Amino acid sequence: DAKTTQPNSMESNEEEPVHLPCNHSTISGTDYIHWYRQLPSQGPEYVIHGLTSNVNNRMASLAIAEDRKSSTLILHRATLRDAAVYYCILWGSARQLTFGSGTQLTVLP
Amino acid sequence: DTGVSQNPRHKITKRGQNVTFRCDPISEHNRLYWYRQTLGQGPEFLTYFQNEAQLEKSRLLSDRFSAERPKGSFSTLEIQRTEQGDSAMYLCASSLGGTGPNEQFFGPGTRLTVL
Repeated sequence: DAKTTQPNSMESNEEEPVHLPCNHSTISGTDYIHWYRQLPSQGPEYVIHGLTSNVNNRMASLAIAEDRKSSTLILHRATLRDAAVYYCILWGSARQLTFGSGTQLTVLP
Repeated sequence: DTGVSQNPRHKITKRGQNVTFRCDPISEHNRLYWYRQTLGQGPEFLTYFQNEAQLEKSRLLSDRFSAERPKGSFSTLEIQRTEQGDSAMYLCASSLGGTGPNEQFFGPGTRLTVL
């Protein structure tokens, strides 16, 4: 399976934008890029996914590099409720999700 | 609440005992997944069902583990002769079928502690 690399932790100030990077240099042409997040004491929740083009939804934006070897999850205005572990996952032909260790986002008031 | 539910939320057991967890997926979802998560790690895939058929099992799923999904609705995960290494959060997720990258909806998990 193609792997992803994320920083272990990041900090952001409340109400400022957050850019969470993910490297996936061995991505295949059919792999989708998914982001999930896990708030403390909860199961993971879906954030966004994309294939080639940048994507926006009510939670976040996903910027995908032209060569698809990296992507960035953008939270436009971080709130304290966004403090969570963010997972970047490549989804190909397997039905299950393969999680890495993710990025622990701390939001400072 | 129409989300994924799991019971019990917490289970403490002694080594060697059997435990069973239940997952109720979102009603129209025909795929159901079990994951295990230990402290500080991301969830690890255990097994998945399409309707009542168990289509894939991870190497992590030893012969002490068994999962069922009778009638393609709720699912149970049983661990026999529990060991301290089984202590973890057991997460259930469900999704729609189809060939595309369907969003998985996760339950709150069952935290197992084996003494």
